[in-house]
Amino acid sequence: AQTIHQWPVAEIKAVGSPLSLGCTIKGKSSPNLYWYWQATGGTLQQLFYSITVGQVESVVQLNLSASRPKDDQFILSTEKLLLSHSGFYLCAWRAEVFFGKGTRLTVV
Amino acid sequence: GEQVEQLPSILRVQEGSSASINCSYEDSASNYFPWYKQEPGENPKLIIDIRSNMERKQIQELIVLLDKKAKRFSLHITDTQPGDSAMYFCAAMRATGGNNKLTFGQGTVLSVIP
Repeated sequence: AQTIHQWPVAEIKAVGSPLSLGCTIKGKSSPNLYWYWQATGGTLQQLFYSITVGQVESVVQLNLSASRPKDDQFILSTEKLLLSHSGFYLCAWRAEVFFGKGTRLTVV
Repeated sequence: GEQVEQLPSILRVQEGSSASINCSYEDSASNYFPWYKQEPGENPKLIIDIRSNMERKQIQELIVLLDKKAKRFSLHITDTQPGDSAMYFCAAMRATGGNNKLTFGQGTVLSVIP
C-alpha cells in the first residue's frame, strides 16, 4: 500500500523567513506528485505538479517554488514568507486523492 | 481556466432529512467529479466521485448526479446524521498534458441539527 508522509506537521514562521515543506511517498514508483494549498476557512488550490524527477510545473503563482529531487520526494519552499502563505499545505500522489496529513503553516 | 461554483455555502438541516449541494463547471473537457468531506483540522477525504460516462452513482447514503449538458453535478446526502456535519467540497478534473488539474468549489459547511 502507498503511504505518504508530510513534514513538518505544523510550523509557525515569521514573515520574511524561509520555508521548506517536504513530502515523501512510499510504495509507488514514478508517481505524479502534487502540492495543494488551502487558506484557513477557504477552498483548495493546486500549486504544483510533477510527473518525474527534476521536472516541476507551476499551476498558481504564490511566490513559492517546488522541487522534485528524488522519485519519491517533493519539496515546497520559499526564501521569504508572506502573511498570505498561511494555511494548510497538502501533498498528493494522485490529483484526486489526498493521502498526506498536511502541514499547517502560520506566518506571523 | 476551469471555474467551479458551489452552492450553498452554508447548509443547516435536521437530522434524518436530506441535504443537497450543487456545483456547476465551465470546462466541457472536465471528465471526473469528486466530492470531499473535510472535518476541522483534518485533510479532505474523498467520499464519492463520478466520471463523465455516468449520470448517477450511489454509495450508501450518498448520491451524486451529473448533468453534462448543463455542466452541473450535485451531492445528495439522505438520512443525515450529526456525523455528517463537516465542510464539503466538489471538484472538477480535466487532464492537461501531464497534469490532472483539479479545480475545487468554494465549499459548503453542512450542519446537521439533532
